[in-house]
Amino acid sequence: QVQVVESGGGVVQPGRSLRLSCAASGFTFSSSGIHWVRQAPDKGLEWVAVISHDGNSKYYADSVKGRFTISRDNSRNTLYLQMNTLRAEDTAVYYCAHPSPDDDYARGGLDVWGPGTKVTVSS
Amino acid sequence: QSVLTQPPSASGTPGQRVTISCSGSSSSIGGNTVIWYQQLPGTAPKLLIYKNNQRPSGVPDRFSGSKSGTSASLAISGLQSEDEADYYCAAWDDSLNGYVFGTGTEVTVL
Repeated sequence: QVQVVESGGGVVQPGRSLRLSCAASGFTFSSSGIHWVRQAPDKGLEWVAVISHDGNSKYYADSVKGRFTISRDNSRNTLYLQMNTLRAEDTAVYYCAHPSPDDDYARGGLDVWGPGTKVTVSS
Repeated sequence: QSVLTQPPSASGTPGQRVTISCSGSSSSIGGNTVIWYQQLPGTAPKLLIYKNNQRPSGVPDRFSGSKSGTSASLAISGLQSEDEADYYCAAWDDSLNGYVFGTGTEVTVL
């Protein structure tokens, strides 16, 4: 059973850093791209970033480019999101999401989502 | 910010058909496939439609998707109370070089 579980959320002051993790199981992690998506309180979904199976291709939303870094450790079946220079507007639930094997890893449907981890940026 | 526009709300009575639109551009929907997600209150999104009109296994055939030019639609036929949720379209945007979600539509079953 394909599963992803996020961790690492919490309360952090503006300007500080935080690293989120996403533990994957039930599929060949090293063969799959994977995304981060976030949702601010009572707001819609916002895509954050995607990384290819080997980590060689990474794409970011303009809102996080230059501040956030997506990375992966295929030996640990784990995805990361390093978030620097955090702002109040980064407050959200952060989801990692696995692409459907029947679709493009970056451009297609995301068929397995974790429960999310909450990040609050506040002084 | 979102570059896919959806109506904020839609509603229908049980058994009715409801349609949700999603308007994009030539760089998003016009050049890429459309995806639809359902998000029940307090839960993570669920994939409903991919590649414009394909349903993952387990998704009822009451849900159908279509695309024409720079717009797409999700139709829910035989509306049921458990369909009350937020629905989001999504697509890759070649100008942004990123994935974009629609503004979201809240569906209410009257």
